[in-house]
Amino acid sequence: GAGVSQSPSNKVTEKGKDVELRCDPISGHTALYWYRQSLGQGLEFLIYFQGNSAPDKSGLPSDRFSAERTGGSVSTLTIQRTQQEDSAVYLCASSLMSGVLNYGYTFGSGTRLTVV
Amino acid sequence: DQQVKQNSPSLSVQEGRISILNCDYTNSMFDYFLWYKKYPAEGPTFLISISSIKDKNEDGRFTVFLNKSAKHLSLHIVPSQPGDSAVYFCAARYNQGGKLIFGQGTELSVKP
Repeated sequence: GAGVSQSPSNKVTEKGKDVELRCDPISGHTALYWYRQSLGQGLEFLIYFQGNSAPDKSGLPSDRFSAERTGGSVSTLTIQRTQQEDSAVYLCASSLMSGVLNYGYTFGSGTRLTVV
Repeated sequence: DQQVKQNSPSLSVQEGRISILNCDYTNSMFDYFLWYKKYPAEGPTFLISISSIKDKNEDGRFTVFLNKSAKHLSLHIVPSQPGDSAVYFCAARYNQGGKLIFGQGTELSVKP
């Protein structure tokens, strides 16, 4: 597609339930990133995938968070047993390759997750 | 440990005047710096970048200045326009590391 697509755009879930957030990167982009923005906070790095390399998971806040990227394209971020502090906007971004930054990442519009 | 800091959560400027957004960082291993702009309900969009080997990069109304000795960068917008009203994020990349570390953002309001 023309841009990074994320779904759903909004998700309300009950505390304790699992959620899956999806990201479709720009075709041909080898690097994919997940960030989240909590209310009043900056963009917090979660995880990034670069080609076939092992993902950098250093930003995942707990073992309830996991992500996968199938076939080097679509990525799914899964949050198990959601807690209220997981409420945030989850942003996905992609780039041609991680080392080329003259134009930066392209971000999707995000998924707003609300845990009630 | 906040490695990229934007200490001003908000800034208000009159249309036509200069907007100056500031960013400080702590890690000398950062080799690339970027500014992103974010409107409500949209993802951030890339605005301008600068390599650590330069001290200035200009693109139209936007100029980014880098002071490595002070570990400080700034974004200048001249002249400011109401459409520039948005949240601006500063970001930095570890040397060849790929991922970006973002600041907390500064909300710019340009008043007509």
